[in-house]
Amino acid sequence: NAGVTQTPKFQVLKTGQSMTLQCAQDMNHNSMYWYRQDPGMGLRLIYYSASEGTTDKGEVPNGYNVSRLNKREFSLRLESAAPSQTSVYFCASSDGTATEAFFGQGTRLTVV
Amino acid sequence: GESVGLHLPTLSVQEGDNSIINCAYSNSASDYFIWYKQESGKGPQFIIDIRSNMDKRQGQRVTVLLNKTVKHLSLQIAATQPGDSAVYFCAENPTDKLIFGTGTRLQVFP
Repeated sequence: NAGVTQTPKFQVLKTGQSMTLQCAQDMNHNSMYWYRQDPGMGLRLIYYSASEGTTDKGEVPNGYNVSRLNKREFSLRLESAAPSQTSVYFCASSDGTATEAFFGQGTRLTVV
Repeated sequence: GESVGLHLPTLSVQEGDNSIINCAYSNSASDYFIWYKQESGKGPQFIIDIRSNMDKRQGQRVTVLLNKTVKHLSLQIAATQPGDSAVYFCAENPTDKLIFGTGTRLQVFP
């Protein structure tokens, strides 16, 4: 039982490069989330998807786009990476509102 | 706006003592709250949750208290152990998203 799987685990980008962070869950959950966590800080919600086919902005959506490819997969895209996007990115999924969210192990992204 | 905050950024306790981690939330629409534990280099892990129709919920060595009047949440850890050392986050669920607080680092010393 893999739970929530994120790829890659580590990535270094140059300023201006683009990349997509992948996330997949095998728990048949409706809701999926992308968070970023900066050093010594909490998790800030970037985007979320309450169900397949829908996506909504979270607290810090600027500079990111998402795609809910199907019920299992929710990807996060950086079109033009900036040093301010250096962070650890976590994907999570839950069965819906008012249920616990399960997290992946994170993607450590450095933009130089 | 929606926000969840914590009173203490770092809490140091002696092994065997009880720990209390506090959290304030601001969104009256929140009806579900969760405590997560995050160890270094890992993703957050669920500890315990509570719904707004409850004041208290107990798990194994952990208790969550909810005071809706003052919008306050606390996590109590009984007989704190070295393995409890981590960062603890509270989170609230005002709509269909989960909003996290800043976190409290719990340090357990012998």
